Amino acid sequence: AQSVTQLGSHVSVSEGALVLLRCNYSSSVPPYLFWYVQYPNQGLQLLLKYTSAATLVKGINGFEAEFKKSETSFHLTKPSAHMSDAAEYFCAVIWPSGGYQKVTFGIGTKLQVIP
Amino acid sequence: SQTIHQWPATLVQPVGSPLSLECTVEGTSNPNLYWYRQAAGRGLQLLFYSVGIGQISSEVPQNLSASRPQDRQFILSSKKLLLSDSGFYLCAWTIGAAGANVLTFGAGSRLTVL
Repeated sequence: AQSVTQLGSHVSVSEGALVLLRCNYSSSVPPYLFWYVQYPNQGLQLLLKYTSAATLVKGINGFEAEFKKSETSFHLTKPSAHMSDAAEYFCAVIWPSGGYQKVTFGIGTKLQVIP
Repeated sequence: SQTIHQWPATLVQPVGSPLSLECTVEGTSNPNLYWYRQAAGRGLQLLFYSVGIGQISSEVPQNLSASRPQDRQFILSSKKLLLSDSGFYLCAWTIGAAGANVLTFGAGSRLTVL
């Protein structure tokens, strides 16, 4: 079965430190890949998406992610964490098919930023 | 521009009572509509999706049902709530099949069943 794995349900970083949130998917077929962010008691907001163009994707708020087919990964990074980055982050994958295309979400990673 | 509205934002209901959560989309036509549930520590679970009026597909068997009486209206219902129905319910939409198209989410409805 196709799945999405986010390593680390909770990640803590110091303000100004590198943010690295991991996402791996199970498939050899290149999918569509997304990262969403959710602030407390709010809906999900798109950070960035990969749709088979450049493998390094830049998103909002200084985040970027790199699609690595050989590693089936799509890790999210930000060079310098800000307090406002504290939120929950979801990796999502769509595997192309001829019919309805279902979005599969990872379980989410809560990012804590320590001042 | 397109907007998506969900209400109520929060709801506290006793076990066995009925439920109705509503979602409407503005600024687009014939969207694909989705209901997700987010329970603590369990990520997002797709409950229902709809590609048109009266067309509902269920992803998992459960105590809930969905209806789409109008093109841009999606309703999540239950006749008798269970404790396990507690969670954060998110409505979302796309245009066309959700390929490279992005899911756009509403602000969510938090349901607590006591």
